[in-house]
Amino acid sequence: DTAVSQTPKYLVTQMGNDKSIKCEQNLGHDTMYWYKQDSKKFLKIMFSYNNKELIINETVPNRFSPKSPDKAHLNLHINSLELGDSAVYFCASSVGTGQETQYFGPGTRLLVL
Amino acid sequence: QKEVEQNSGPLSVPEGAIASLNCTYSDRGSQSFFWYRQYSGKSPELIMSIYSNGDKEDGRFTAQLNKASQYVSLLIRDSQPSDSATYLCAVNGSWGKLQFGAGTQVVVTP
Repeated sequence: DTAVSQTPKYLVTQMGNDKSIKCEQNLGHDTMYWYKQDSKKFLKIMFSYNNKELIINETVPNRFSPKSPDKAHLNLHINSLELGDSAVYFCASSVGTGQETQYFGPGTRLLVL
Repeated sequence: QKEVEQNSGPLSVPEGAIASLNCTYSDRGSQSFFWYRQYSGKSPELIMSIYSNGDKEDGRFTAQLNKASQYVSLLIRDSQPSDSATYLCAVNGSWGKLQFGAGTQVVVTP
């Protein structure tokens, strides 16, 4: 059973396109996150939702818009894709918003040409 | 100054030896600390979590935390080729906001 799943695994697209990445967790967790890992492998938080409410919104271009239809799902929509958006995007989830362990999905590898 | 700092490596360790990984952090209010292992092309996988000063052991892994020195380390005993990966130190601030270090690449040589 996959705990945190993401679709698609790979995404190759042209500059200027709009794309979405979906994430689902079946762990019963209340909090979900989006992270970006760049080519230097540095992992940085982008957004976090707790029970469908946005609680962390880092300095991310407003071309990126997260949406949480329910606490088991968190999607990321990216408008007007740029070359610099190429990265691996990881979804994660945790029980709460405190100090608990975060569990990561398999990642979505986005390549913008 | 980066919030979480690690030596990037690579750290070359003979098979069977002890690998020692270090991490320092800048936020004195941090309460929870994690070590994740990431194989190439895979997602981060939790190895250890530690919340109190001192040592915590789990199998071949020992995490050490010293909040006064703002320092957390990971020891891998009896290193195996399967331990070759990048090890990410993560420190939790407020609202579950994990700050990651850049990772230390470990290479275990037979």
